[in-house]
Amino acid sequence: KAGVTQTPRYLIKTRGQQVTLSCSPISGHRSVSWYQQTPGQGLQFLFEYFSETQRNKGNFPGRFSGRQFSNSRSEMNVSTLELGDSALYLCASSDPTSGGGETQYFGPGTRLLVL
Amino acid sequence: DQQVKQNSPSLSVQEGRISILNCDYTNSMFDYFLWYKKYPAEGPTFLISISSIKDKNEDGRFTVFLNKSAKHLSLHIVPSQPGDSAVYFCAASHIGSSNTGKLIFGQGTTLQVKP
Repeated sequence: KAGVTQTPRYLIKTRGQQVTLSCSPISGHRSVSWYQQTPGQGLQFLFEYFSETQRNKGNFPGRFSGRQFSNSRSEMNVSTLELGDSALYLCASSDPTSGGGETQYFGPGTRLLVL
Repeated sequence: DQQVKQNSPSLSVQEGRISILNCDYTNSMFDYFLWYKKYPAEGPTFLISISSIKDKNEDGRFTVFLNKSAKHLSLHIVPSQPGDSAVYFCAASHIGSSNTGKLIFGQGTTLQVKP
């Protein structure tokens, strides 16, 4: 199976702009989670979608939003970008119906630089 | 409040020897633990996981040990190879409607395996 893919891989934006990142999960995986990685805060959970519904949300401001489509592909949007939003944004997919613990498989990430 | 801690930022071992990476957690509700390997500017790669009902899980050169009473887990890599040089993250999750799709990560340990 193909792995998790994310587009674009790199992005440069200026303060105040908005950005949309895309994630295609592993085929058959219906859960998609998003994380932000920064040097200071490490890997922080943003939100999780399953069957087009947001089931869980981390402690991020409302400028961070997402959605999931019927084919399980997901997008996240950041509006009114701030310098502190510069980070590696990671998407992970999993199959919650597989039983046992939920192993998440990550994409390569999107590196966002806000100037 | 950091619920998952990796107290050693770095570890250096000789090729062929054992690498032991440690992780401590504070939340007794965690019931699934994972180890990921990460290279710079890439997404984490899943290595191995363990459920809280077990105390050991092996996969090739990788073994994870879980000590629930001490809230401690460790990853053993034997024998260590130069290609194992990367940042290793431990992560934890627990079942519950408010926790779906959410992994909590430690800060990572940089492993260097010297030839």
